[in-house]
Amino acid sequence: AQSVTQLDSQVPVFEEAPVELRCNYSSSVSVYLFWYVQYPNQGLQLLLKYLSGSTLVKGINGFEAEFNKSQTSFHLRKPSVHISDTAEYFCAVKEGGSEKLVFGKGTKLTVNP
Amino acid sequence: IAGITQAPTSQILAAGRRMTLRCTQDMRHNAMYWYRQDLGLGLRLIHYSNTAGTTGKGEVPDGYSVSRANTDDFPLTLASAVPSQTSVYFCASSREGASDTQYFGPGTRLTVL
Repeated sequence: AQSVTQLDSQVPVFEEAPVELRCNYSSSVSVYLFWYVQYPNQGLQLLLKYLSGSTLVKGINGFEAEFNKSQTSFHLRKPSVHISDTAEYFCAVKEGGSEKLVFGKGTKLTVNP
Repeated sequence: IAGITQAPTSQILAAGRRMTLRCTQDMRHNAMYWYRQDLGLGLRLIHYSNTAGTTGKGEVPDGYSVSRANTDDFPLTLASAVPSQTSVYFCASSREGASDTQYFGPGTRLTVL
């Protein structure tokens, strides 16, 4: 069965520093991978997704993620964060043939001045 | 275009009462989903519907029921609410299945006393 592990529940960083939010998944079949962001008191919105093709995926707001099949990882990165990036970030996976998206428990990113 | 609307925004409910959370989308998406979000647990799928007239169970379906009489509406019913159903509930939709981007509503905060 598919599962998603977000290794850090909270990540504090300073403004303009780089950040990496880690995500590992377990699945024995092909997968589709997603990162969603949730700003305070809002619903989730898509940052980026990997369906096939290039393993480096670029998303909105300067974020990117790299699919690493051998490591079963899909870490999210941004080279320089802003205060406005403060939010909770969710990694999600869908196995090929499944009708369901499984979310990780989330990583709360706090960007400090 | 409103996207996805949910009602009510918040609700306090006595245990044992029946409650229906409403969800409407205007994007003509085929698939719709109900998730609950609990602190430290991320989002968990309750029920989903791939097309009008069909529904399926997610990860935590017990105590909840759904119907999909038409494309736009996907109500979630708690037949007899219990305190463990206190949560924030998000409705989402996608054009086709779970490999498509999911668009989320603003959520309903439900407290069962």
